[in-house]
Amino acid sequence: AQSVTQLDSHVSVSEGTPVLLRCNYSSSYSPSLFWYVQHPNKGLQLLLKYTSAATLVKGINGFEAEFKKSETSFHLTKPSAHMSDAAEYFCVVSDRDDKIIFGKGTRLHILP
Amino acid sequence: NAGVTQTPKFQVLKTGQSMTLQCAQDMNHEYMSWYRQDPGMGLRLIHYSVGAGITDQGEVPNGYNVSRSTTEDFPLRLLSAAPSQTSVYFCASSLRGGGVSETQYFGPGTRLLVL
Repeated sequence: AQSVTQLDSHVSVSEGTPVLLRCNYSSSYSPSLFWYVQHPNKGLQLLLKYTSAATLVKGINGFEAEFKKSETSFHLTKPSAHMSDAAEYFCVVSDRDDKIIFGKGTRLHILP
Repeated sequence: NAGVTQTPKFQVLKTGQSMTLQCAQDMNHEYMSWYRQDPGMGLRLIHYSVGAGITDQGEVPNGYNVSRSTTEDFPLRLLSAAPSQTSVYFCASSLRGGGVSETQYFGPGTRLLVL
């Protein structure tokens, strides 16, 4: 069965500095991996997804993630944080059995 | 095209009461699912369906029932509510199942408080 671990429950960065949100996964097959974002009191929105094409995936709002099979990781990055990036981010894994598993989330705080 | 809709937005129940959370999508999606979101726990899969007439259990199915009589609707039933079921519930849909890397579309959520 697949699983996903988000290594940090909270991350704080200053506005204009890089963002790194870490995610490790476990899957019996070649997984599909996603990052979703949830702004306060809002629903969830897809940021990006990996589907076994390019290992470096670009998403919306300047975010990108790199799939590293050897490290079973799918970390989310952004070169320069903006105040509007403050939100909770979820790493998600799915494989052949149709179950879609969410990580516990990382809350990103942006310091002025 | 309304996407994924959920009703009600808020609900307060007493322990032991039953209720049904409604979820509907108008995108002709095959795959639908229910999650609950609790602080520090992320979203946990309750039940999912890969098509009309087919449902299966997720990570935390106890205390919840589902059915899928049509492609559009996927109601979640609480037969005897318990305080542990206080949570925010999200319904999601995708064109096909998770195994083919489909994007999930989420409803706005239902906040449930069980006293």
